[in-house]
Amino acid sequence: GAVVSQHPSWVICKSGTSVKIECRSLDFQATTMFWYRQFPKQSLMLMATSNEGSKATYEQGVEKDKFLINHASLTLSTLTVTSAHPEDSSFYICSARSWGAYNEQFFGPGTRLTVL
Amino acid sequence: AQSVTQPDIHITVSEGASLELRCNYSYGATPYLFWYVQSPGQGLQLLLKYFSGDTLVQGIKGFEAEFKRSQSSFNLRKPSVHWSDAAEYFCAVVLTGNDMRFGAGTRLTVKP
Repeated sequence: GAVVSQHPSWVICKSGTSVKIECRSLDFQATTMFWYRQFPKQSLMLMATSNEGSKATYEQGVEKDKFLINHASLTLSTLTVTSAHPEDSSFYICSARSWGAYNEQFFGPGTRLTVL
Repeated sequence: AQSVTQPDIHITVSEGASLELRCNYSYGATPYLFWYVQSPGQGLQLLLKYFSGDTLVQGIKGFEAEFKRSQSSFNLRKPSVHWSDAAEYFCAVVLTGNDMRFGAGTRLTVKP
């Protein structure tokens, strides 16, 4: 149990285009989902926290208009990178949490974004 | 300031040797504690976690970790390292109701 999927697993796009990444909890209801960003050889940095049905909370320094997060259901959150640029190239990882799980998060496999 | 510290950026051990990866946290209360492993280009795999109770926690792949409140530490250990253990290891903490914060990671290299 507690499986989280991400789609796509990798994506290449042209500069200026938008890319949507999906994060799904497959066998549980995720009241909260998190989006992390990881640059090569670095740790995971939290970008934003989203609760189902409400607006996401962004970490300081993360542009909310550039990284649009939607958590429309208890099993799906999406991250849209708008007007992507090469510096947005990174590994994006989502995680999901449900109440009663001792605040444990379950991580997706990640999405590799390359912006040309 | 609240933080998670992994003092060792890179550790090299010989196959069959013992391993200890360090993790210290700086929080007012005892957080929930986790260790994850990440192979290149892959997502995170949970090795073990500590919420309460026995301070010595057993995980997968022969790993264990010991929570020491007095030292604010949660060090990861393995008695005999295998070549397949080469990866990046992350310590992470969660305070109740809050998000997960990660240490900088320790890269493990295993020599034949």
